[in-house]
Amino acid sequence: AQTVTQSQPEMSVQEAETVTLSCTYDTSESDYYLFWYKQPPSRQMILVIRQEAYKQQNATENRFSVNFQKAAKSFSLKISDSQLGDAAMYFCAYRSPPETSGSRLTFGEGTQLTVNP
Amino acid sequence: DTGVSQNPRHKITKRGQNVTFRCDPISEHNRLYWYRQTLGQGPEFLTYFQNEAQLEKSRLLSDRFSAERPKGSFSTLEIQRTEQGDSAMYLCASSLVLAGGPREQFFGPGTRLTVL
Repeated sequence: AQTVTQSQPEMSVQEAETVTLSCTYDTSESDYYLFWYKQPPSRQMILVIRQEAYKQQNATENRFSVNFQKAAKSFSLKISDSQLGDAAMYFCAYRSPPETSGSRLTFGEGTQLTVNP
Repeated sequence: DTGVSQNPRHKITKRGQNVTFRCDPISEHNRLYWYRQTLGQGPEFLTYFQNEAQLEKSRLLSDRFSAERPKGSFSTLEIQRTEQGDSAMYLCASSLVLAGGPREQFFGPGTRLTVL
């Protein structure tokens, strides 16, 4: 079974600065997908960024980028120019290939990000 | 609003009562998932449907839990004889499965269940 570990329960960053959230995972599969989801307080979870394991190039979405190290099974999220609206719980998630496990998501424990003005 | 909706948003019940939650997915999405999220933890998979067929259930889904998706549209999750350990946020997500594989899962706001 796949597992996802987020070792930072809480992180804080000053507005306009950069922060990196860590995630490691364990799998024996070679083809999979990784995601970062954001869950603001009392609001629904939204997708921040996704990475296909077969792609060597790290994904980027505006101020959000990942550092995907497949051999190390590491998938960190970098938030540049942090904004107050980035404050939320961030979850790292793993998804198996489409033909296995119904493409369910396996989530980490989450990292609570605080952005200080 | 064309997103995933869930009702009710909050439910308080007494131990031993039955509760039912509803999820309305994005209209064209053919796959629907249920997850459970306890305080301070990430969501955990419960079950999923492809159209009206329930294809997989987690071992977390005890016999007291049942889910349906009649006609492949909305879904209901029922918990019978609730226990305090059932207190959690129940999340629904939907996605569109195409020939190239499933696309992004879109989540609803969740139903927060409190069992007294």
